[in-house]
Amino acid sequence: DAGITQSPRHKVTETGTPVTLRCHQTENHRYMYWYRQDPGHGLRLIHYSYGVKDTDKGEVSDGYSVSRSKTEDFLLTLESATSSQTSVYFCAISEDIGGSPLHFGNGTRLTVT
Amino acid sequence: GESVGLHLPTLSVQEGDNSIINCAYSNSASDYFIWYKQESGKGPQFIIDIRSNMDKRQGQRVTVLLNKTVKHLSLQIAATQPGDSAVYFCAENAGGGADGLTFGKGTHLIIQP
Repeated sequence: DAGITQSPRHKVTETGTPVTLRCHQTENHRYMYWYRQDPGHGLRLIHYSYGVKDTDKGEVSDGYSVSRSKTEDFLLTLESATSSQTSVYFCAISEDIGGSPLHFGNGTRLTVT
Repeated sequence: GESVGLHLPTLSVQEGDNSIINCAYSNSASDYFIWYKQESGKGPQFIIDIRSNMDKRQGQRVTVLLNKTVKHLSLQIAATQPGDSAVYFCAENAGGGADGLTFGKGTHLIIQP
């Protein structure tokens, strides 16, 4: 494993509640990412970060926000969870952007009822 | 290859045989390609990568072949073992940035004893 810890590993929440997922890395990589994985789709980018306090939107960012106050931590927040956000969420890290592989955590399975 | 719905393409091979998993990529501008392995309940695991200035790259028991003329990528696994059973998917990077990385939906490799 590439020193990436996601928490929680599983969460069930109700529609309309806020949810925060945490990603912690020990590799000191500059770039961090949040993806979601759904049946019938490849991994889809939600948000990414290229440094502390520097973040940008991905392909499916609506309904999500992120924060990165320290190099090692990247938080994903669903301000008001909806059933369409039921998914498996993966955090990833990389040394550079576009030319090196991403290394993934083991995911958080989120169910919104 | 790529899936078109909820069911992934499946490749079934005998233990000890070689496996070849294929991926058709979409963007002729893609210049970096990655293969991942994903076991049930885990995050994607980096296997091997290749840049567009190469047509072949070998790792431990794995070889990636790139045919830019027909936009085709393949992963060959030698002497397939039970531990190779997983979903394999490719990723291509055409944009050079985080949002330029596109993931395929994957192929499920099943190892027959």
